[in-house]
Amino acid sequence: QSALTQPASVSGSPGQSITISCTGTISDIGSYNFVSWYQQHPGKAPKLMIYDVSNRPSGVSNRFSASKSGNTASLTISGLQPEDEADYYCNSYTTSSTLVFGGGTKLTVL
Amino acid sequence: QVQLVESGGGVVQPGGSLRLSCTASGFTFSSYGMQWVRQAPGKGLEWVAFLSYDVSKKFYADSVKGRFTVSRDNSKNTLYLQMNSLRPDDTAVYHCAKLRDQWDLLPRSCFDPWGQGTLVIVSS
Repeated sequence: QSALTQPASVSGSPGQSITISCTGTISDIGSYNFVSWYQQHPGKAPKLMIYDVSNRPSGVSNRFSASKSGNTASLTISGLQPEDEADYYCNSYTTSSTLVFGGGTKLTVL
Repeated sequence: QVQLVESGGGVVQPGGSLRLSCTASGFTFSSYGMQWVRQAPGKGLEWVAFLSYDVSKKFYADSVKGRFTVSRDNSKNTLYLQMNSLRPDDTAVYHCAKLRDQWDLLPRSCFDPWGQGTLVIVSS
């Protein structure tokens, strides 16, 4: 159950776009379309942003989009806003019927 | 609205036990799988355990298998995590979360929403 691999940090200026990658293996991301992304502000509970690779829950801005290719998933945030500054975690279902998270990416809006 | 409230955290000595609770409201608790996820201070999220809506399926992370037990009381809308043989590296905020899809026996798809969490500190 090794964690998925995410960059420790990314940054961008307001209005720009950024992409966060999440690399797994054939035992998790590569086997299922059950990849989700969560946003977490300091001291807050994680919030679901994307589920099943690329679906947005109601209420989540369409500035958030995501995709998957092979063993790697990606989250893109366009038109960066100050409130997007947070930690982002990817998550995947695995062939062992367990879940695995990425190590998290700290997004800084410059 | 859907709400999850964790309780039961505190300070415990290494080797000790603690039982966490997650009280749910605003949805039909008995229809949804539930999970526990923890976050050590300053660290990332770590999945801990999943329990299906009908308690027929339980899954655990290797790091807690054999020490932690997840259970639920659907009549009380409450999820539990019994933690035994606690170690200092179990120190974390423990969150419960609701599986997004009803009637799913496996922890697929995603979890929404999450509770605010309860802090467990394992220290002598």
